[in-house]
Order: sequence, then structure tokens, then C-alpha cells
Amino acid sequence: GNSVTQMEGPVTLSEEAFLTINCTYTATGYPSLFWYVQYPGEGLQLLLKATKADDKGSNKGFEATYRKETTSFHLEKGSVQVSDSAVYFCALGPQGGKLIFGQGTELSVKP
Amino acid sequence: GAGVSQSPRYKVTKRGQDVALRCDPISGHVSLYWYRQALGQGPEFLTYFNYEAQQDKSGLPNDRFSAERPEGSISTLTIQRTEQRDSAMYRCASSTRGLGATNEKLFFGSGTQLSVL
Repeated sequence: GNSVTQMEGPVTLSEEAFLTINCTYTATGYPSLFWYVQYPGEGLQLLLKATKADDKGSNKGFEATYRKETTSFHLEKGSVQVSDSAVYFCALGPQGGKLIFGQGTELSVKP
Repeated sequence: GAGVSQSPRYKVTKRGQDVALRCDPISGHVSLYWYRQALGQGPEFLTYFNYEAQQDKSGLPNDRFSAERPEGSISTLTIQRTEQRDSAMYRCASSTRGLGATNEKLFFGSGTQLSVL
């Protein structure tokens, strides 16, 4: 079945460091891929998305490229800030009208 | 309202009791989703509605779980005869037209943290 696997956290970085959070997927068909972010005490919110192979999603300095050949959608940011501390979820879909999420990766950025 | 609202924020109950969790989606949103999120895990799909019609309930773990959205707006997720394994964060989300439409996204509520003692 369809699934999403993310690198385990927590990931701890210093401010202005480069960030990569790995995400790989297994899917039939041609799903869209998403990154959602959850700040402490809040609901998940969409960070970026890509709808087909080789598309790059970007938002707030974050980027991810839909790589069909490696079934990956890694999240990157060139220079993280303390305010980026959150839990990041990779997801694919829609599959029958719903999204399938990875287990989440916690990011902690220290000043 | 401005966002997806869920109540209660926290619910502590004893094993064997029934609980009802409420979701008030963003006004005008057609689709409403229920997810369950265990600690350290991603959201796991339970069920979703388009308007008042339940489109998919394949994620409901067993027949103790049910959901309704009678007027196509507010939804209630009911868990009967709760068990300790039901303890989790229950999240509701809504979308404007449903995820099959182009450029749709989910708007999540803050969730209800259920603890079954």
C-alpha cells in the first residue's frame, strides 16, 4: 500500500545552519506530495506541495523537489531560524480523497 | 469561524465510557476529515465527509468508532466503550472543495487530546 517514511528526529541545529529532512514514499499512480508543519500547540498547516515529477515546491525559504526516480521529497532550507522549530510531516495524496502522512520529524533550532 | 475549532481541548475519561468529540470546520468548507495521531506519529486517517455524506470510513478502527455530520457543517466523532488504546490526539481538518480538486489543502484544528484511564 501507499506509505511515507521520514528520517527520525529530533533534529537539532544551530541558527543559520542548513537543513535537510529526508522523505521517501511508496505509491501507486501519480500522487501529489506535501510538507505540513506543526508549531507547538497548533494544528498542522501546509508548508509546500508539488503535484508532479520534477516539480519544486517552495515557501518561507523551504524547498522540496518531487523526485520520481528516487521516490523522494526531501525538505531543505539554507539557513534555519529559531522560529522554524516545529514538527514537519511529509504526506502524499490524495488517495481516495485523503492524505497519508509520515511519522513526523521534530526540528529544534538553537540560537 | 476563522479556523477549524475542536472541543473539548482535553478529555479524560474512564475505560468503558462513551465520548463525543466535536469539530466545527471553517465556514463553507465542503469536506471534513478526522485523523488520529498517536504520540510521535503522523496523523492516521479515520474518516471523511463531503457535505453530510460520509465518503470513506475505512480508517475507523472498529465498530466502537462512528462519526456524523448531519447538516454538512459540525461533525461529531463518537467512541463507545472507550479503551486505553484509544488514547491519542484526535484531529479534525476541513477543505474547501475536497482534496480531489486542484490546489486544495487541509486546514487542521488544534485537536482533542483523549486520555482513557
